[in-house]
Formats: sequence, structure tokens, C-alpha cells
Amino acid sequence: DAKTTQPNSMESNEEEPVHLPCNHSTISGTDYIHWYRQLPSQGPEYVIHGLTSNVNNRMASLAIAEDRKSSTLILHRATLRDAAVYYCILGGSQGNLIFGKGTKLSVKP
Amino acid sequence: DAGVIQSPRHEVTEMGQEVTLRCKPISGHNSLFWYRQTMMRGLELLIYFNNNVPIDDSGMPEDRFSAKMPNASFSTLKIQPSEPRDSAVYFCASGKAWGTGGRITDTQYFGPGTRLTVL
Repeated sequence: DAKTTQPNSMESNEEEPVHLPCNHSTISGTDYIHWYRQLPSQGPEYVIHGLTSNVNNRMASLAIAEDRKSSTLILHRATLRDAAVYYCILGGSQGNLIFGKGTKLSVKP
Repeated sequence: DAGVIQSPRHEVTEMGQEVTLRCKPISGHNSLFWYRQTMMRGLELLIYFNNNVPIDDSGMPEDRFSAKMPNASFSTLKIQPSEPRDSAVYFCASGKAWGTGGRITDTQYFGPGTRLTVL
């Protein structure tokens, strides 16, 4: 399974945008890019996913590089409730998701 | 929709005892996943089912672990006998599979987890 690289941790101020990077240089043509997050003491929660084009939903935006070797999850206005571990995952033809260590996002008031 | 339901939420048992964890997926979903999470190893996929059939159980640690899905609305993960190193939070997730052979699930919906402590 293709792997992803994310920073271990990031900090943000409340109500400011947050850009969470992810590198996936070995991505294959059929791999979707998924983002999940895990709030403290909860199960992971789906955030967004995409293949080639940038994607937007009510939670976040996903910007995918033209060569697809990297992507960025964008939280437009961070709130204290966005403090979580964010996982960038490649999902392919096998249908399963392999979670890495993710990025722990801290949000300061 | 109630979401994915897991029971029990907490389980404390003694080494050597049998443990059964239960999961009710979201109605209409045809794929189901069991994960284990520890501080040391993070979130690991143990097994996943598609239309009640096990597709990949390569993540199951050893023969002490077994999982079943007798119907679309129920799955169990059993550990027999349990050991202290099995202590972890076990998550169940479900989703709708599509793609060739129905093996791709876009979005997985996770349950609240079962915190297992084996003394």
C-alpha cells in the first residue's frame, strides 16, 4: 500500500485558516486521497476525499497537487473543536485504508 | 440514524478469559471493518468484510482472534484466550462498497469503540 508522510504536530490559532500538508510521492493512478480525523476519546471521523480535482465540503477543502504527489487539507476557520489528529490516507483497489500516525492539530484560543 | 453501534463500551477481563466484542453497522452498508488502536501501534486494520464475506484478515494478530459476520446487521470479534497485550481500543466501521468486485469503500463510519483491558 502506498504510504503518506505528515508532520507529527501543528498549531493554529482559533478562527484562522489551517493548512495540513501530506506527501504521497508513491501514489498510484487509482489511489484516492482520504482524510479522516480523530477527536480525543472518539473514533475516527471522515473529513473529505478526492482523486485528482480539488474538493470542497462543509467541513474542509482538499487541494491536490497537479502531479498528485502531495495534497493539503484546508480548514478555513479553525475552532477549538477542530483540535484532533488528522490522518491522510491513500485508498486503492483493495478497499481498505491504512492509517499512519497522522498530524496532531492543536488550536489555541 | 444511530450510527455504528458497538458493545460493550468498556470491558475489563482477566488473562485467559474469552472476550466477545459486538458491532451493529449502519443499515444499508455492505462493508464492515474491525480496527485496533494502541499508543504504540496506532490504528491497525484487523479484518474487513464485504457483503458478510471476509475479504482480508491479514491484520488479525494470531489464531486467538476470530471475527464473524452472520448477517448484514451484526458482527463479532472474539479473542480466546485473551492476553494483557490485547488491551486496546477496538473500533468497528461500516460503509458502502463499490468498484470492481465491490471492494472500494469511499467513506467509513466508525463506532465509538470498545476499550478492552486485560489484566
